Amino acid sequence: EVHLLESGGGLVQPGGSLRVSCAASGFTFGSYAMKWVRQSPGKGLEWVSAISGRDSSTYYADSVRGRFTISRDSSNNTLYLQMNSLRVEDTAKYFCAKSLSWAATDGFDFWGQGTVVTVSS
Amino acid sequence: DIQMTQSPSSLSASVGDRVTISCRASQGINNYLAWYQQKPGKDPKLLIHGASSLQSGVPSRFSGSGSGTDFTLTISSLQPEDVATYYCQKYNSVPCTFGQGTKLEIK
Repeated sequence: EVHLLESGGGLVQPGGSLRVSCAASGFTFGSYAMKWVRQSPGKGLEWVSAISGRDSSTYYADSVRGRFTISRDSSNNTLYLQMNSLRVEDTAKYFCAKSLSWAATDGFDFWGQGTVVTVSS
Repeated sequence: DIQMTQSPSSLSASVGDRVTISCRASQGINNYLAWYQQKPGKDPKLLIHGASSLQSGVPSRFSGSGSGTDFTLTISSLQPEDVATYYCQKYNSVPCTFGQGTKLEIK
């Protein structure tokens, strides 16, 4: 059974940094693309970043490019999102999701429960 | 970037009704479209991918259609457990943009 568990969320001041993680199990982690999606309180879903399953190519939304870095560690089946220069508008629940395939451009068939990041002074 | 627009933003229907939700892309995306269901406080669930392929385990009352720029999610007979917000998402290229969501309630 596929299981995704996010962690690392919390309260951070504007301009600060935070790293969120997603522990994956139940599938061959290195063979699939993985994504981060966020949802601000009471709002819709926003695609944030993706990393492919073949060559670990990375992709970012314009709103986070240059500030966020996605990475994966296939030795311990964990996905990361390093978030720097955080802004108030980055406040959201961050979900990790598994792709249907190795491609970063594919649907998401499993999601974690999310971890909440709050950026506030 | 390609924009995804859903309509309506919200709707109310009775149990047993046929419900349709529309999604329009600002440019053609072939059939690279998915539909997700998100119940309050829960993570989203994949319903449809490839515009019309039903994800394993999803009830057959859900169906998807369309190609190019216009897509539709149909619930053939609305059930109480279908109360949720529904999102379309394009994935032909990054960014894999979501629509703004359609909130479905029971009348």
